[in-house]
Parts: sequence; structure tokens; C-alpha cells
Amino acid sequence: KQEVTQIPAALSVPEGENLVLNCSFTDSAIYNLQWFRQDPGKGLTSLLLIQSSQREQTSGRLNASLDKSSGRSTLYIAASQPGDSATYLCAPGGTGNTGKLIFGQGTTLQVKP
Amino acid sequence: DGGITQSPKYLFRKEGQNVTLSCEQNLNHDAMYWYRQDPGQGLRLIYYSQIVNDFQKGDIAEGYSVSREKKESFPLTVTSAQKNPTAFYLCASSTLGQPQHFGDGTRLSIL
Repeated sequence: KQEVTQIPAALSVPEGENLVLNCSFTDSAIYNLQWFRQDPGKGLTSLLLIQSSQREQTSGRLNASLDKSSGRSTLYIAASQPGDSATYLCAPGGTGNTGKLIFGQGTTLQVKP
Repeated sequence: DGGITQSPKYLFRKEGQNVTLSCEQNLNHDAMYWYRQDPGQGLRLIYYSQIVNDFQKGDIAEGYSVSREKKESFPLTVTSAQKNPTAFYLCASSTLGQPQHFGDGTRLSIL
């Protein structure tokens, strides 16, 4: 059974810092992996999707990497801003293109002005 | 604008009552999903549907039921058999292999 761990659980940084959020998963037979953002009391917003054959994806100040063999993904946020404050969730997709995702518990980020 | 609409935003259930959560999408996505989120937890999959008139159980389907009669709609019924229904319920849709898009959720509480 796939288990997903995100470290750290919470993070507080001053504005402008570069930071890395970590995600590890136990079953490397994944179809893809998604990173999401969740604001308090809201639904999820998709940030990046990495296919299993890819090593990384970039969108603006965000870069996500995937090392499938070691069961790890990282989300790099450059030049953090207060508006980046949210919970970030990692979700690997299972074997086959079923769309089923297994979520980690998330990293709650606070960026201080 | 295209998106996913969940209603109601807040819902209260009495003992022994079934309640239905609505999820509608106008993104022309084939696949739809229902997740449950408990405080401080990640999301857990309840049911999913890859095509109209077909759906599969997720990891925590007991006490829930769904239907998929139209491509745009995927309602979730929380039955009286679900003994701990208090949670935040999120609906999502996608084209398979593409990012999932989420609604704003329904918060269900027990009266």
C-alpha cells in the first residue's frame, strides 16, 4: 500500500528565502506525481504535474523534481512571498492511468513579510 | 468560466439521515473523484468514476454511495451507515493523465 510522507510538517520563513519541500513515497511504481496548494477552508489548486518518465517540471518560481527509483520528490519555491503561505500537498498517482492519487498530509508554509 | 461547483458549502446531518452532496463540472472531463479530508490530514479517496454509468470504490467507500448518470454530475450520498461523517468533502475532475481540478468543498457536520 502506497504511503506518502511530507517533511517538514510546518515551515516558517522570512520573505525572499528560497525553500524546499520534501515528499517521499514507498511504492515507486507510480504513473505521475502532482503537487497541490490548499488555502485554509478551500479546495486544492494544482501547481505541477510530473509524468513518471520526467525528472522535473517548472512553472514560474516553482520547480518540482522527481526521483522515482528512490521514491522522492521535492518542490522548490524561489524568492518566497507572503502570498505563498498555504499548505502544500504531494500526491503520487498509482500504477496505470486511473487518476487515483494518494496524498501526503502536507507541509504548511508561512512566509513572513 | 469553466470549473467545478460543489453545493452546499455547509451541511448538517441528523442521526439516521442520509444526505447528498452535489458536484457539477463544465470542464468536459471524463473522470470525477470524491475525497474526504479530516483536520490536519491529507485527502482520502472515497469513490471515483472514469466514465458515465461506471464508478469504483476508493480507499474509504463504506457508508457512502455515488451515481454517475451524466458526464457533468457526480453526487455523493453520505448514508446513516457512515458513523463518523464529520469532515470536509472535496470533489475533483480531470482528463485522465492530466491535473485534477477541485471544487471549493462541502463541510459536513453532525447535529
